Amino acid sequence: SQKIEQNSEALNIQEGKTATLTCNYTNYSPAYLQWYRQDPGRGPVFLLLIRENEKEKRKERLKVTFDTTLKQSLFHITASQPADSATYLCAPGHSNYQLIWGAGTKLIIKP
Amino acid sequence: DTAVSQTPKYLVTQMGNDKSIKCEQNLGHDTMYWYKQDSKKFLKIMFSYNNKELIINETVPNRFSPKSPDKAHLNLHINSLELGDSAVYFCASKPNLGADSPLHFGNGTRLTVT
Repeated sequence: SQKIEQNSEALNIQEGKTATLTCNYTNYSPAYLQWYRQDPGRGPVFLLLIRENEKEKRKERLKVTFDTTLKQSLFHITASQPADSATYLCAPGHSNYQLIWGAGTKLIIKP
Repeated sequence: DTAVSQTPKYLVTQMGNDKSIKCEQNLGHDTMYWYKQDSKKFLKIMFSYNNKELIINETVPNRFSPKSPDKAHLNLHINSLELGDSAVYFCASKPNLGADSPLHFGNGTRLTVT
């Protein structure tokens, strides 16, 4: 069955550095992949979408890559700030445009 | 204005009771979902509706019954609540079924069954 793996442990990053989060998927080939941010007590909020024919997508300080050979997506936040602290969820697209969700990586940016 | 709103935010109830969660979206979207987020934070799809029609019904106990009176509303009724139903339930919507467009989530309903 399809499986999504994200860093299970929290990622601690010093403010100003680049945070890199990993999403690996197995047993299928998604046509696209979405990244969401989830704060405690809130619903996930969409950040970026990348399609299989795109190597990289950027939005302000965010960058996502999609390597269909490695079956991996990387999510980067440059010049990280304490306000970037949250859980980040990876969601590759499945058939019928449904998403399969990773458990998320908790990112902590220390001042 | 909240795009996707759920009520209540917290729900504490005893085993065996019946409860409902309501969801409304003001985005004009055709497609709505119910997701369950368990203690390990995985989001699992429960139901999907498109223009008031049930499209996806994952392997969810039939104690869970969704109802969509119109395409802006999707409610979830749960009968005979069990301890294992304790979780956070999220409503979400997107413009239409056949698109990779992002989901818009409500802020969840934390259900605790004692």
